[in-house]
Amino acid sequence: AAGVIQSPRHLIKEKRETATLKCYPIPRHDTVYWYQQGPGQDPQFLISFYEKMQSDKGSIPDRFSAQQFSDYHSELNMSSLELGDSALYFCASTEDRVADTQYFGPGTRLTVL
Amino acid sequence: AQTVTQSQPEMSVQEAETVTLSCTYDTSENNYYLFWYKQPPSRQMILVIRQEAYKQQNATENRFSVNFQKAAKSFSLKISDSQLGDTAMYFCAFCTQGGSEKLVFGKGMKLTVNP
Repeated sequence: AAGVIQSPRHLIKEKRETATLKCYPIPRHDTVYWYQQGPGQDPQFLISFYEKMQSDKGSIPDRFSAQQFSDYHSELNMSSLELGDSALYFCASTEDRVADTQYFGPGTRLTVL
Repeated sequence: AQTVTQSQPEMSVQEAETVTLSCTYDTSENNYYLFWYKQPPSRQMILVIRQEAYKQQNATENRFSVNFQKAAKSFSLKISDSQLGDTAMYFCAFCTQGGSEKLVFGKGMKLTVNP
């Protein structure tokens, strides 16, 4: 079965640089969630989209923005990167925003030097 | 705000034994979902099992079962016949139904299955 695809899998950036993370949900899934997992921590919700509209927002810094496109893939744009942004970024998708099971991608490991 | 608590940071068990992971949560909602996710060393988040709050019957998936006590707001995971591949971080997670569907995770518990 098709899974959630995230790219790139690993990303190394310098402080103050910009990064773009991409997420391709499971086919027919119209809802996408982004989570950030710091070292030794639990995943924290950043933002979600349903049918290309933002549906909820969590602890996402103003330096970050995201959108969902017409093909339902989503991109997380991160600017003015800080050392503390180093983390594993997960994308998850569901077929229906009403609390269906979220299936996670493999994550993008971002390292900021 | 919803909170999820996993009070045991770490456990170890021998292969083939049974182990129970505890989780409690706090919410004023009546309709919600509970999940257990497994995160092995690869860091992939893998769904283990899910429970709908409106269902009285406890969910089971092969060697994995839950003990859902809604009144006590308790949601424990039982792993039977533990296998080496069960070694992972286990996260308990909660989401409301019909409102904000984001997952709220507990801090996780590291399970080690020894040969």
